[in-house]
Amino acid sequence: GAGVSQSPSNKVTEKGKDVELRCDPISGHTALYWYRQSLGQGLEFLIYFQGNSAPDKSGLPSDRFSAERTGGSVSTLTIQRTQQEDSAVYLCASSLGGPGRNTEAFFGQGTRLTVV
Amino acid sequence: GEDVEQSLFLSVREGDSSVINCTYTDSSSTYLYWYKQEPGAGLQLLTYIFSNMDMKQDQRLTVLLNKKDKHLSLRIADTQTGDSAIYFCAERGYGGSQGNLIFGKGTKLSVKP
Repeated sequence: GAGVSQSPSNKVTEKGKDVELRCDPISGHTALYWYRQSLGQGLEFLIYFQGNSAPDKSGLPSDRFSAERTGGSVSTLTIQRTQQEDSAVYLCASSLGGPGRNTEAFFGQGTRLTVV
Repeated sequence: GEDVEQSLFLSVREGDSSVINCTYTDSSSTYLYWYKQEPGAGLQLLTYIFSNMDMKQDQRLTVLLNKKDKHLSLRIADTQTGDSAIYFCAERGYGGSQGNLIFGKGTKLSVKP
């Protein structure tokens, strides 16, 4: 079946504009994660959704960042008033999830965001 | 909160063994993972270990877990140039983290012929 799908694959935006990044997880996966990978850097956790539980937003770097997950499936990460330091690859992953469960997280190919 | 630390770079010669180390802070971690990211590619799961184990071997890969010291290592035997990649350590919590998956910054492995 299809893997994790992210769109767009590339996005160039002007500083100060808002952007929306989309993630379609694997069907049936209850856990969804957003990470950010800056050039030459590791994975920075942003937000984690698990089923109907309140999301773990502890990784969001500022109040310009928000995410939602509608119907327990598709997720949108929104960055308002983008800044140049927001330029990075934004990665989405999904898994069968659940605390204490060993389930592999499958990653999308990411959205490369460039703020000019 | 949870934290996962790794050294950033490792360089080895082809045919040698590579050992990539990782430390974590969440004592409630249930599973620990190694992911691999090849140049220009996405992350893929390489191997994992359950927290009640201290060793797992899978072909050229050996994972060692010292739960007391919260130290995880990945040993790659007979390292090949195709093993050049970034290796990420990750932990899955249970308690306060409710199953979240936290990654280290990644270790870039360079294999010299």
